[in-house]
Amino acid sequence: EAQVTQNPRYLITVTGKKLTVTCSQNMNHEYMSWYRQDPGLGLRQIYYSMNVEVTDKGDVPEGYKVSRKEKRNFPLILESPSPNQTSLYFCASSPGQGAAGETQYFGPGTRLLVL
Amino acid sequence: QKEVEQNSGPLSVPEGAIASLNCTYSDRGSQSFFWYRQYSGKSPELIMFIYSNGDKEDGRFTAQLNKASQYVSLLIRDSQPSDSATYLCAVRFTSGTYKYIFGTGTRLKVLA
Repeated sequence: EAQVTQNPRYLITVTGKKLTVTCSQNMNHEYMSWYRQDPGLGLRQIYYSMNVEVTDKGDVPEGYKVSRKEKRNFPLILESPSPNQTSLYFCASSPGQGAAGETQYFGPGTRLLVL
Repeated sequence: QKEVEQNSGPLSVPEGAIASLNCTYSDRGSQSFFWYRQYSGKSPELIMFIYSNGDKEDGRFTAQLNKASQYVSLLIRDSQPSDSATYLCAVRFTSGTYKYIFGTGTRLKVLA
């Protein structure tokens, strides 16, 4: 089944404890992205990657790191989480070429609580 | 600061009516425009996208783009209770990048 998977789905952590949220897609998509969704603020892009080793900042990159060493994986790293990073996080991927490339497929989401 | 604005709603329409959802954006250079649907507790899913001025139809959905006025709308004909969801407008501002700005979404309620 074609899908985007994220792990973990739920995470409670404490301020300053490094964490990684993994994202993997099995559709051979070029493009991947991370978003956070907060009430009243909507969906905001954190980072995106147009291909292996090519990443760029979205609207809210502060406090986050990403890497794209393999085409299928795009982990999101919080080196020192803070309570304002409590949010619902979505990973997305798309083919990246032509009209079909415009369709982003979202993962199921990761709900993070930073105490 | 590039912005995408939507009325948060809720927009309530009776079953079988036309639901009209609107979105405005700030940058005249914007390239691509998207409508996503998000059910409560679920991930967003793409309904349709539009590049050019005018209308684009897909089943019961019609996207309308007016670049001069900087707005994009989504019409849902013959609305069904299953259409009740939050509708997110998104804009890709720059060709050659995959930087997206989403609106905060409009909550639609279709009343049976």
